[in-house]
Amino acid sequence: DQQVKQNSPSLSVQEGRISILNCDYTNSMFDYFLWYKKYPAEGPTFLISISSIKDKNEDGRFTVFLNKSAKHLSLHIVPSQPGDSAVYFCAASGTPGSNYKLTFGKGTLLTVNP
Amino acid sequence: DTGVSQDPRHKITKRGQNVTFRCDPISEHNRLYWYRQTLGQGPEFLTYFQNEAQLEKSRLLSDRFSAERPKGSFSTLEIQRTEQGDSAMYLCASSPGRFTGELFFGEGSRLTVL
Repeated sequence: DQQVKQNSPSLSVQEGRISILNCDYTNSMFDYFLWYKKYPAEGPTFLISISSIKDKNEDGRFTVFLNKSAKHLSLHIVPSQPGDSAVYFCAASGTPGSNYKLTFGKGTLLTVNP
Repeated sequence: DTGVSQDPRHKITKRGQNVTFRCDPISEHNRLYWYRQTLGQGPEFLTYFQNEAQLEKSRLLSDRFSAERPKGSFSTLEIQRTEQGDSAMYLCASSPGRFTGELFFGEGSRLTVL
C-alpha cells in the first residue's frame, strides 16, 4: 500500500511559469515531509522540507505547502527554469531525530520547456 | 569529490550468482542507509546503520541479502543467489549525526540479473 502518493507521473510547463507538484499521504504518523530532485544517472538530492507544525516553507524559487487535515502537500517552483527539468520525489518520515526512515512517492517527471 | 561513492556503477550477472556492492559515505557521516529503486517507483528503504550497528532491516531484505558496515566506515550490500526480481538500482545514502531528513545519496549501483 502506497503511503505516499504522487498521482501525476509527469508535468510539462513553460519556462517562467509556475510548476506545481502534488503529493498525498495516508499515514497519520508522518510529521516531516521532504522533496528530492533527481537528474538522470544521478542520485536524488534534497531540495526542501517542512515540519507538520508549519504550513509553508520557502527557499528561493521553491515553496512547499502542507495541508495536514487533507494529508496533502505541494511544491511550487516559480519561475520555472529549464534546469528544473528532473524527477521530483515527495518523501515523508516521523519526527526528525527519532525516525530515520524515509518513505518516498513514485515521483513526478517535470519538463520545463524553453 | 567528497560525496557518497558507490561501486560498481553497473553490474550484470546471471541468475543464481552472488553480487556485492560497496558504498563509501561522506567521511563525517555516522548514519548510512541502503535503498532500492525499481523502474517507475521511488526509492524503498532497505536497511540503516548508525556507525557499525545495523539498527533496522526492511522486510524487503530477504535472507539472501546481507549488509555490513565494519568499523562504521564503508558498507557492503551482498545479494546471494540473485533472482531476476533483484534487478534494480541500489542506492546508498549517508547523513550526519541527528537525523534531519536530508540524506546525501550516491549515484547508485544498477543491478541487471539475466
